[in-house]
Amino acid sequence: QVQLVESGGGVVQPGHSLRLSCAGSRSTFSTYAIHWVRQAPGKGLEWVAVISYDGTKKDHGDSVKGRFSISRDNSKNTVSLQMNSLRAEDTAVYYCAKESQPYGGGWYPFDTWGQGTLVSVSS
Amino acid sequence: DIVMTQSPDSLAVSLGERATINCKSSQSVFYSSSNKSYLAWYQQKPGQPPKLLIYWASTRESGVPDRFSGSGSGTDFTLNISSLQAEDVAVYYCQQYHSPPDTFGQGTKLEIK
Repeated sequence: QVQLVESGGGVVQPGHSLRLSCAGSRSTFSTYAIHWVRQAPGKGLEWVAVISYDGTKKDHGDSVKGRFSISRDNSKNTVSLQMNSLRAEDTAVYYCAKESQPYGGGWYPFDTWGQGTLVSVSS
Repeated sequence: DIVMTQSPDSLAVSLGERATINCKSSQSVFYSSSNKSYLAWYQQKPGQPPKLLIYWASTRESGVPDRFSGSGSGTDFTLNISSLQAEDVAVYYCQQYHSPPDTFGQGTKLEIK
């Protein structure tokens, strides 16, 4: 069973950048599409981005398109989320999650989630 | 985007009683080619990430107690907890993975009466 661990969160000023990482525990990590989902304090879940198992397909939510970019390095079992031009409304816990079936790309539920990393955008 | 609407927003049920949460999608999340509804249910307890309970609208994830069941098709779905236990206190979310972007319902907070 793949486990996921996020890192890279912190406090950042508006307009600045931050890079989050999601590390997978097994080599099979490279066979799964990975998503980022965020949750603002006291709010619900918002899908942010997805990357296919091989990194060739990516998609981002409208609220982050043009500012955030997802990527992966399967040699290091890692998926990253580069967040630029951060805004106060980006403040949230960011979770990475894997799809339940290998070689998917948005057609499966999320069976494994990390514990999340908190991003706080404030001046 | 497909909008997911849950009802009620909050629910208080006595221990041992049935809890029912509804989820409605703004368009069908059923694919006739696979004969499946692309609908999942998650449970989130305070300070924890969401946990997958149900997928394909009615398939229980491994290890999930059988008091949890999902039903529905097309645009209307239901999560039932047949006999509420104290550990079921949580927020429950439905999610559609039929059409990108994946979207979630606003959540239903389940408490003990």
